[in-house]
Amino acid sequence: EVQLVESGGGLVQPGESLTLSCVASGFTFSNYWMSWVRQAPGKGLEWVGNIKQDGSQKYYVDSVKGRFTISRDNAKNSLYLHMSGLRAEDTAIYYCAGESHTSSWYWFDPWGQGILVTVSS
Amino acid sequence: DIQMTQSPSSLSASVGDRVTITCRARQSISNYLNWYQQKPGKAPKLLIYAATSLQSGVPSRFSGSGSGTDFTLTISSLQPEDFATYYCQQCYSARAFGQGTKVEIK
Repeated sequence: EVQLVESGGGLVQPGESLTLSCVASGFTFSNYWMSWVRQAPGKGLEWVGNIKQDGSQKYYVDSVKGRFTISRDNAKNSLYLHMSGLRAEDTAIYYCAGESHTSSWYWFDPWGQGILVTVSS
Repeated sequence: DIQMTQSPSSLSASVGDRVTITCRARQSISNYLNWYQQKPGKAPKLLIYAATSLQSGVPSRFSGSGSGTDFTLTISSLQPEDFATYYCQQCYSARAFGQGTKVEIK
């Protein structure tokens, strides 16, 4: 069964750091670009950033550049999101997602179940 | 970043209705456009990729069209399980989602 399982969420204070993890199973993790997508409470989806199969390329949405870092460990089938300088507006459910593709077309599938990060004092 | 704009933000429809949701890109993205369905408390589910290709297992009442800057998701005959929020997403340059369209029961 294809599965992505996030962990590491919780309540943190503004300015603090937090690292999310995502463990993949049921597919060849090292063959996929991987992304983090978030959804603030009652709001829409926002792509956070992604990382190439070998970790050599990373891209981020402007709102998290310089604060968030995506990394991966293919030997552990794991994806990470290190978040620093957290703000109230970073409060969201964070999903990890594999980027399936054909030729140059990419889409998000599979998805994890999501993990809640709350930034509040 | 390429901004995506969906319309309408929400709509009310009845079972059996034909529903159309529009997505517009700020610049041309060719056909690098995907559509997702999300139900409350669940992760999104891919419906359409490359603007017009139906994902395996998705009912044929869902269809996508468009290229360049203007795209459409059509549900030909709305079913009870289709009440959800729908998102477009571009993969032409980085990634970005539209703001979503909530389809509610009339």
